[in-house]
Amino acid sequence: DSGVTQTPKHLITATGQRVTLRCSPRSGDLSVYWYQQSLDQGLQFLIQYYNGEERAKGNILERFSAQQFPDLHSELNLSSLELGDSALYFCASSVKANTEAFFGQGTRLTVV
Amino acid sequence: DAKTTQPPSMDCAEGRAANLPCNHSTISGNEYVYWYRQIHSQGPQYIIHGLKNNETNEMASLIITEDRKSSTLILPHATLRDTAVYYCIVKKEYGNKLVFGAGTILRVKS
Repeated sequence: DSGVTQTPKHLITATGQRVTLRCSPRSGDLSVYWYQQSLDQGLQFLIQYYNGEERAKGNILERFSAQQFPDLHSELNLSSLELGDSALYFCASSVKANTEAFFGQGTRLTVV
Repeated sequence: DAKTTQPPSMDCAEGRAANLPCNHSTISGNEYVYWYRQIHSQGPQYIIHGLKNNETNEMASLIITEDRKSSTLILPHATLRDTAVYYCIVKKEYGNKLVFGAGTILRVKS
């Protein structure tokens, strides 16, 4: 158990819908990262927050957004969902940017 | 961040040492070598990282060549539960993200 909690574990939704994925980082970790893993793309970095502020952005679609709250949990919002958004979404956390990151068990999103 | 090259797959007999190589010939002085593994769609698991000295922890050893252009992850006594995709990643000390490549699929066989 990495200490990073992601909910829900599985999510099935229809095209065009909006979903919110939640991540609780390890206690004391200030940095949260979101990754997407699809069959054809591998693990792709989406976005990072550090102590509530956006720190880095990867190939995150405009339909996707994230935030980190004062209690340091983070949410990834996916809207206008398409079939191609079906993937595993992982959250990771670290104490600082230069320390190892620990990953949650992911949310498996299926868009039908 | 420097690019890494890993063999696509390797086999290892249970109980033997698994030696996973990684080339990172363009690594720069402030970049660390990190290793993660992913067991069947679970979240990636941190294994070990290092800058230039060899490192060892309860999971594995990391051997980095003197010129830092390559490294080897050693699992001293591989078990069936070590079957996973192993990712070698080079990251700046204050870099913000891990860039995952295709990794090496390690199959431990009885």
